[in-house]
Amino acid sequence: QQQVKQSPQSLIVQKGGISIINCAYENTAFDYFPWYQQFPGKGPALLIAIRPDVSEKKEGRFTISFNKSAKQFSLHIMDSQPGDSATYFCAPLAGGTSYGKLTFGQGTILTVHP
Amino acid sequence: NAGVTQTPKFQVLKTGQSMTLQCAQDMNHEYMSWYRQDPGMGLRLIHYSVGAGITDQGEVPNGYNVSRSTTEDFPLRLLSAAPSQTSVYFCASSSGDRVVTGELFFGEGSRLTVL
Repeated sequence: QQQVKQSPQSLIVQKGGISIINCAYENTAFDYFPWYQQFPGKGPALLIAIRPDVSEKKEGRFTISFNKSAKQFSLHIMDSQPGDSATYFCAPLAGGTSYGKLTFGQGTILTVHP
Repeated sequence: NAGVTQTPKFQVLKTGQSMTLQCAQDMNHEYMSWYRQDPGMGLRLIHYSVGAGITDQGEVPNGYNVSRSTTEDFPLRLLSAAPSQTSVYFCASSSGDRVVTGELFFGEGSRLTVL
């Protein structure tokens, strides 16, 4: 059962452009919506996260937009830089009932050309 | 602080062999877990632990055993390796207040190939 669908699988953006990655979920029990960033040869690291009681959260160039009724949330990277080239995962969880059990999306490989 | 340390980084096994992937953390985290990462499938939870002496199964536990005798260590045992267990394995840890919001701290991974 594929509870989380992430798109696109890969994304190529020019430096300074906007990168948008989407995540759709089925489990209505999810109540935290983190995004992880992974560089080659490294483990994933938390990038930014949102709770469902807000529709948007911004941290620097990174923004999460959340649409509860559509069961979708997305990551926007403004002014994309070559250093942002990495794999990005959405990983929602039901924090209260699924202690630490993240459900990862399939991942999006982002390449930012200089 | 070293964070989460995994050993070995690379391992090649033959079908039927057993081995243990080691994971240690120095952040005094209660929660530890093991994930496997396969191309196009994201990361999937194998086993997790909410404290010393307490473990539970995740999404894909078959073929793996874990134990947690100390807060710091959480080894993952492959009892009889199969080619389907070829993967990159990640250990993660977190504190009680951070794990509920999905903040895990991952090691750098152990790449396992089963021939």
